[in-house]
Amino acid sequence: QKEVEQDPGPLSVPEGAIVSLNCTYSNSAFQYFMWYRQYSRKGPELLMYTYSSGNKEDGRFTAQVDKSSKYISLFIRDSQPSDSATYLCAMKTDKLIFGTGTRLQVFP
Amino acid sequence: GAVVSQHPSWVICKSGTSVKIECRSLDFQATTMFWYRQFPKQSLMLMATSNEGSKATYEQGVEKDKFLINHASLTLSTLTVTSAHPEDSSFYICSARDSWSSGRASGNTGELFFGEGSRLTVL
Repeated sequence: QKEVEQDPGPLSVPEGAIVSLNCTYSNSAFQYFMWYRQYSRKGPELLMYTYSSGNKEDGRFTAQVDKSSKYISLFIRDSQPSDSATYLCAMKTDKLIFGTGTRLQVFP
Repeated sequence: GAVVSQHPSWVICKSGTSVKIECRSLDFQATTMFWYRQFPKQSLMLMATSNEGSKATYEQGVEKDKFLINHASLTLSTLTVTSAHPEDSSFYICSARDSWSSGRASGNTGELFFGEGSRLTVL
């Protein structure tokens, strides 16, 4: 079993839709949870990070962590075509473990 | 935001040759840099942790004699793929941790800034 599981997609939604991206994990020692966005042939860029269970909001993005269920989510409101990218969840103890990434396509 | 630069962004080489990839932190000092490899439609896999002034720490299954890492200064780490073979073709990405922000509450993750990646194709 992988430490971090993420549906690779692709996920295709119309502009303006609410997008939900999810990851599950097995290691209860993970303390920090991040979401990265990666455009094609580019390095990942950090979108959000959270430490505890609960929600964290930043503009159109909301990160949610449920440690009891070992489940994290990223919600994107009012999605735009420019949001089309691969979204990677990542979790950290002493090193960063990435999910496989979910490819998101937002069409006009 | 902090910038990490990688060079070259893409390289094609013949089997058996060696290729060097550079990773530079442009506006901050990084005592620690990380090298990842990413195959198509797969996740980033940590290869090694590069520590300034000391030997790199390699992940299990990564050959240290094949992937030579040098971190000679606080702003530069290099990855050399020696005697490259077609199966080494991949997207190599480095990341750097801002040494100053690592201790702050907001940077307690040791926020990582990623380079743009280097695509290696071995013929």
